Amino acid sequence: NAGVTQTPKFQVLKTGQSMTLQCAQDMNHNSMYWYRQDPGMGLRLIYYSASEGTTDKGEVPNGYNVSRLNKREFSLRLESAAPSQTSVYFCASAIEESSPLHFGNGTRLTVT
Amino acid sequence: GENVEQHPSTLSVQEGDSAVIKCTYSDSASNYFPWYKQELGKRPQLIIDIRSNVGEKKDQRIAVTLNKTAKHFSLHITETQPEDSAVYFCAARARDSSYKLIFGSGTRLLVRP
Repeated sequence: NAGVTQTPKFQVLKTGQSMTLQCAQDMNHNSMYWYRQDPGMGLRLIYYSASEGTTDKGEVPNGYNVSRLNKREFSLRLESAAPSQTSVYFCASAIEESSPLHFGNGTRLTVT
Repeated sequence: GENVEQHPSTLSVQEGDSAVIKCTYSDSASNYFPWYKQELGKRPQLIIDIRSNVGEKKDQRIAVTLNKTAKHFSLHITETQPEDSAVYFCAARARDSSYKLIFGSGTRLLVRP
């Protein structure tokens, strides 16, 4: 039981490049989330998926897209990376609406 | 939408003293308030949570209090230890913001030996 697994752990991109951050959970959770963490700004919600087949915008969705591929997997795509997207990205999941979030180990992304 | 403010941004205490971190929220429909601890370079982990039908909850040295009227909640850590040093985040989830958990900006707690 690995919990929430994120890949890659580290990534460096040049401005304008694209990439997809992968997230998978093996806890049979219904909802999944993508957050970004910047110094002094806490965790900000990018997108979330309440259940398989649904996605919705969070606080800071601009520049990102998501795909809930199946119940286990929720990916985050940057189509054209910008330096402002340099951050640590956390994926999380929860079994139901009022349940605690379980976080992955994060992906540290640098855009030069 | 929901907005969560957290204070202080940094807190330094002597080992054995108590630490208090406070958060306020804007959406009166919020009904779930967790606290997360994040050690350097690691993932946030839940340490305690409280729901809107409860005013206080304790777990050993950690307690959380909720004042729904004033829309604020607090984390209390007693008998602090060096291993309590970390960043602590509060969060709030509104009943009508399905699955959306909004976080405060974090408090860096340093416990001096």
